[in-house]
Amino acid sequence: SQKIEQNSEALNIQEGKTATLTCNYTNYSPAYLQWYRQDPGRGPVFLLLIRENEKEKRKERLKVTFDTTLKQSLFHITASQPADSATYLCALRYSTLTFGKGTMLLVSP
Amino acid sequence: NAGVTQTPKFQVLKTGQSMTLQCAQDMNHNSMYWYRQDPGMGLRLIYYSASEGTTDKGEVPNGYNVSRLNKREFSLRLESAAPSQTSVYFCASSYLGQGLMNTEAFFGQGTRLTVV
Repeated sequence: SQKIEQNSEALNIQEGKTATLTCNYTNYSPAYLQWYRQDPGRGPVFLLLIRENEKEKRKERLKVTFDTTLKQSLFHITASQPADSATYLCALRYSTLTFGKGTMLLVSP
Repeated sequence: NAGVTQTPKFQVLKTGQSMTLQCAQDMNHNSMYWYRQDPGMGLRLIYYSASEGTTDKGEVPNGYNVSRLNKREFSLRLESAAPSQTSVYFCASSYLGQGLMNTEAFFGQGTRLTVV
């Protein structure tokens, strides 16, 4: 069966450092992958989409890479801030839009 | 532009009661989804509607029914609520284009349901 894996342990980093989150998937070759941010008590909010023919995508302090050989996407936040603290979800389209369980990021001042 | 609107925001039900969660979007999206989110389980798809007039089961459809009333509205019904259905429910919508290419999904603010 298809599976999307994100690190279940929270990632704790200091303000100003680069946060790197990982999304691994199995048994599928998706045409694209999406990243979302979710704050406590709120619905997920879309951040970035990267297509299979794009190795890297950037948006302000965010960078996403997509390695279809490794079946992995990395999500980077550079110059992290406490306001970046949230849970980050990756999503793939299998038969429909399927989400990983997310990784919580905690940025301390 | 409201995006995706869900009602109610909070609900407490007794076991065996029924209720309908309402969802409406104003972005002219063709696809709509219902997810539930439980601690440690992530977002799990209950039902989805790829286009007006169609609905399909997701990962966890048992105990639920849906209606795609029109392009804007997609409701989720619990016919006989059970404590296992205590969860946060999210409605989402997106545009599903050629080649099953999704635009980003927009989510509602969620419904926090407790079944006692």
